[in-house]
Amino acid sequence: EAQVTQNPRYLITVTGKKLTVTCSQNMNHEYMSWYRQDPGLGLRQIYYSMNVEVTDKGDVPEGYKVSRKEKRNFPLILESPSPNQTSLYFCASSLEGGGRPYEQYFGPGTRLTVT
Amino acid sequence: ILNVEQSPQSLHVQEGDSTNFTCSFPSSNFYALHWYRWETAKSPEALFVMTLNGDEKKKGRISATLNTKEGYSYLYIKGSQPEDSATYLCAFAGGTSYGKLTFGQGTILTVHP
Repeated sequence: EAQVTQNPRYLITVTGKKLTVTCSQNMNHEYMSWYRQDPGLGLRQIYYSMNVEVTDKGDVPEGYKVSRKEKRNFPLILESPSPNQTSLYFCASSLEGGGRPYEQYFGPGTRLTVT
Repeated sequence: ILNVEQSPQSLHVQEGDSTNFTCSFPSSNFYALHWYRWETAKSPEALFVMTLNGDEKKKGRISATLNTKEGYSYLYIKGSQPEDSATYLCAFAGGTSYGKLTFGQGTILTVHP
């Protein structure tokens, strides 16, 4: 089954404790992206990757890191989480061609709470 | 941060009504305009990706149009059904990079039986 998976789905952690949210897709998509969703603010892009070893900042990259060492995986790293990073996180992937990403397939979301 | 606006913010209609929403986006450095449907407790699902000025796309009772010169897109739902109740999101691909997507805040549609 074609899908985007994220782990963990739910996480409660404390300020300053490094964590990684994994994202994996099995559709051989070039493009992958991370978003956070906060009430009243909609979906905001954190980082995106056009292909392996190619990453770039979205609108809200502060406090996050990403890497794209393999085509299927795009982990999101919070080196020192803070309470303002409490949010619902989505990973998405799509084909990329003709200079633009195609329709995105979203993962199930990760609900992160930082206390 | 680019400005992508959707209106109205929310909409209540009766079953069988037709409805439409608007997405406004920058008219320069345009690459694509995406529409997604997001049901409560699920993940967003793609409806359309539109790239050309004047594009019209249709999927069942849902259709969309695109005007890149003036920076807007309309989403239409014909004969709304309760299962159409969801948040409808548009996303602008463009600006400094075609990989950068900026989402609007969404239009929440509620269809009453």
